This record gives sequence, structure tokens and C-alpha cells, in this order.
Amino acid sequence: DIQMTQSPSSVSASVGDRVTITCRASQGISSWLAWYQQKPGKAPKLLIYAASSLQSGVPSRFSGSGSGTDFTLTISSLQPEDFATYYCQQANSSPTFGQGTKVEIK
Amino acid sequence: EVQLVESGGGLVKPGGSLRLSCAASGFTFSSYSMNWVRQAPGKGLEWVSSISSSSSYIYYADSVKGRFTISRDNAKNSLYLQMNSLRAEDTAVYYCARAEDTAMAYWYFDLWGRGTLVTVSS
Repeated sequence: DIQMTQSPSSVSASVGDRVTITCRASQGISSWLAWYQQKPGKAPKLLIYAASSLQSGVPSRFSGSGSGTDFTLTISSLQPEDFATYYCQQANSSPTFGQGTKVEIK
Repeated sequence: EVQLVESGGGLVKPGGSLRLSCAASGFTFSSYSMNWVRQAPGKGLEWVSSISSSSSYIYYADSVKGRFTISRDNAKNSLYLQMNSLRAEDTAVYYCARAEDTAMAYWYFDLWGRGTLVTVSS
């Protein structure tokens, strides 16, 4: 199985901050990567697919980059509704998720 | 409204069985592959199983292979997960999730249900 490792595990930030989350795959996955947002008690929501493609309806302050083994999710200007846990997921083979990154209010 | 609604969760003893259902509405169910993804309390996400639009391709995570069976009924717009020989470590919220049935998007889950809780305990 391909292992996905996210960092940091949590980040404290203020509204308006730029936030960057990284995800590393245990082997190369080209651009087969997705990012999800999950709020407490809710289902995950697809934000980014194919490493950098924005899902329909997702605000443009979210962006993704990377290929191979190293990927990044960036929130350009954090909004109150963005406080949540974010997961990366490899889509190269039987899918596996990172352990999650919790974005908390500073 | 485009939505997925899971049902069938509950409390079951170790070694027992449970059948989960997922009702789809608002989209052409028969055109999409479907998945089950679970989340243990306070933990991360784990993909469980996938079934293609016509049921031709079925995949399972190693952790459930031989114990769980995924199926679908396109006439009823429904997805199922038969879970046998349940263990304490199967305790989780089980989500059904949709994906496009294409090579480029098969593992991108663009619509999720709200989940149903399965608790395995004596």
C-alpha cells in the first residue's frame, strides 16, 4: 500500500493568514492526488483533484500543487469557515488517506 | 437534490453481521462508481470498498477482504455493504461516496453521504 504522510498534524492560524499543508507519498503517484475538507460531525468534501484541479464550487483561495511524491494544499487567505481538518488521498491505486491536518483558530 | 443517504448502522456483537444501505437521488446512479469509506471515532479516513457502475469491477481493502461484500442495485438507486464476522476494529462511521466511472476520476470521491455509525461491542 502507498502510505501518505501529512504535515503538520495541526496548525494554528488567524483569519486572513496564508496556510500551507504538505503531503508526501511513500512512492511516486504522478498527479493522482486529492484534498478533502472535513468539519466536525460532517462528511468530507472534495476540494482538489488531480493535484491541482479545483473542484466545482470550491473557492479560489484553495489551491494545490505538486507531483510525484510531494504535494501542497494552500489556503491563500484563511476564512472563518475554513477551520476544519484536511486530508490528502492518493488516487493512483487502492486509495489511502493521510492522517489529517487540523486547522485551528489562533 | 443530489444526495446520498446511508442507513443500517447500529450496535452488533463481535462475530455478528450487519448490512448497510446507501440510497442515491438527484443524479444518474447507474453512471457512477460507488465506494464505502469509514472513519473510526476520532481517527482518519479509510477506504473500504469500491464497485463500478455496472458491478463489473469490485475492490476491497485488505482489512475487510473475505468479510465484507459490496453490491448495488441500479434499478433501486441503491448501494449495499454486507458486513460479516465483525470485529471491534470495524467500529466506525461508514460513508458512501460517489466517483466518476472513468479511468481519470475513479478514485476521486466527489459526493458523500452523512454516514451511519457501526459499533461492534459485546
